[in-house]
Amino acid sequence: KAGVTQTPRYLIKTRGQQVTLSCSPISGHRSVSWYQQTPGQGLQFLFEYFSETQRNKGNFPGRFSGRQFSNSRSEMNVSTLELGDSALYLCASSHGQGGTEAFFGQGTRLTVV
Amino acid sequence: DAKTTQPPSMDCAEGRAANLPCNHSTISGNEYVYWYRQIHSQGPQYIIHGLKNNETNEMASLIITEDRKSSTLILPHATLRDTAVYYCILPPNNNAGNMLTFGGGTRLMVKP
Repeated sequence: KAGVTQTPRYLIKTRGQQVTLSCSPISGHRSVSWYQQTPGQGLQFLFEYFSETQRNKGNFPGRFSGRQFSNSRSEMNVSTLELGDSALYLCASSHGQGGTEAFFGQGTRLTVV
Repeated sequence: DAKTTQPPSMDCAEGRAANLPCNHSTISGNEYVYWYRQIHSQGPQYIIHGLKNNETNEMASLIITEDRKSSTLILPHATLRDTAVYYCILPPNNNAGNMLTFGGGTRLMVKP
């Protein structure tokens, strides 16, 4: 079956702009989680959506938001981009039961200039 | 969720077994131990998980001590493609969803 698909793979944005990233989970998976990976902070949890509702949220400012559609596809949005938002953004899909195996996409590499 | 402690880096000769330790002394009775790895510039990949019994799959073996305070991931015949950062994770088991807390992991370098 198809894996987790993230688009776009690479993105360059200017400070102050906003960006929307997309994640298509594995068919049948209802949970999508988002992570930010930077060299300094490592992999950090952003938020999780399950059945179109945000179920968990990490410690990130309100500029980071997301949503999930009825087909489980998810988008995350970052507004008023800062240089420090440059990172690899990863999404992971799973069935959504606590502590289950998660499958990650290849990520979107965002560069803010 | 319980914290884990892993050595920052390890080397292993190609073809030999790689034994990656993880300490999780504050683990609770119903928390599973999960292992993921991340090969450079790729998304993390699930490897294996276990509760109290030893587990084996096509990728690796997981040995959990009887008191569950530590575990070891074993790659029986490491190859160059196993060079990656390996993460030992204890996801929340209270139906809180899929929030994985990644620590620093162990950077395994497999050498020819």
